[in-house]
Amino acid sequence: RKEVEQDPGPFNVPEGATVAFNCTYSNSASQSFFWYRQDCRKEPKLLMSVYSSGNEDGRFTAQLNRASQYISLLIRDSKLSDSATYLCVVKPRSWGKLQFGAGTQVVVTP
Amino acid sequence: GAGVSQSPSNKVTEKGKDVELRCDPISGHTALYWYRQSLGQGLEFLIYFQGNSAPDKSGLPSDRFSAERTGGSVSTLTIQRTQQEDSAVYLCASFRSEQMNTEAFFGQGTRLTVV
Repeated sequence: RKEVEQDPGPFNVPEGATVAFNCTYSNSASQSFFWYRQDCRKEPKLLMSVYSSGNEDGRFTAQLNRASQYISLLIRDSKLSDSATYLCVVKPRSWGKLQFGAGTQVVVTP
Repeated sequence: GAGVSQSPSNKVTEKGKDVELRCDPISGHTALYWYRQSLGQGLEFLIYFQGNSAPDKSGLPSDRFSAERTGGSVSTLTIQRTQQEDSAVYLCASFRSEQMNTEAFFGQGTRLTVV
């Protein structure tokens, strides 16, 4: 089993709609969680950290469910510019290496 | 510079040749990763350097791959006797591993094509 798993998609989303997807992780000792965004042929960039109580950044909402070992990302009012691959990243402890999921592709259509 | 710098940005090499890829991390970042990404695929972990600890080499696909990090800063990834399946984008990332919610910064990658 992979340490971090994501539905590869693609999630085809009409402009203005809401899309949500999850990422599961296998290491219960994981401490830090992130969502990264990767545009086609570009390097990944941090979208947002995920905090225990859940957090929002504009149209983006991230949630953490430690009991079921998954994190989620919800995008409201989708824009064409939200089309990208979203990578889930998990860090097991302060000195641990980052574990990347393979990414979920989101395609926002007019 | 302020970000992670990788060189060269593009490299075309003949099968069987050796190549060396370079990564300049952000100053002060104690951790450094190498990943590779084939077209349309996810990130494949290669190697992880953490301070003065022995590197985690568990992701290196064969003994043709090796990496060094000199003085806790610049890192080089060397691929010997390149094969066509080595063609990919090689990404380097650095971060402050001693901090909990710390962002990893990626370089723009080296696109390696083996012909």
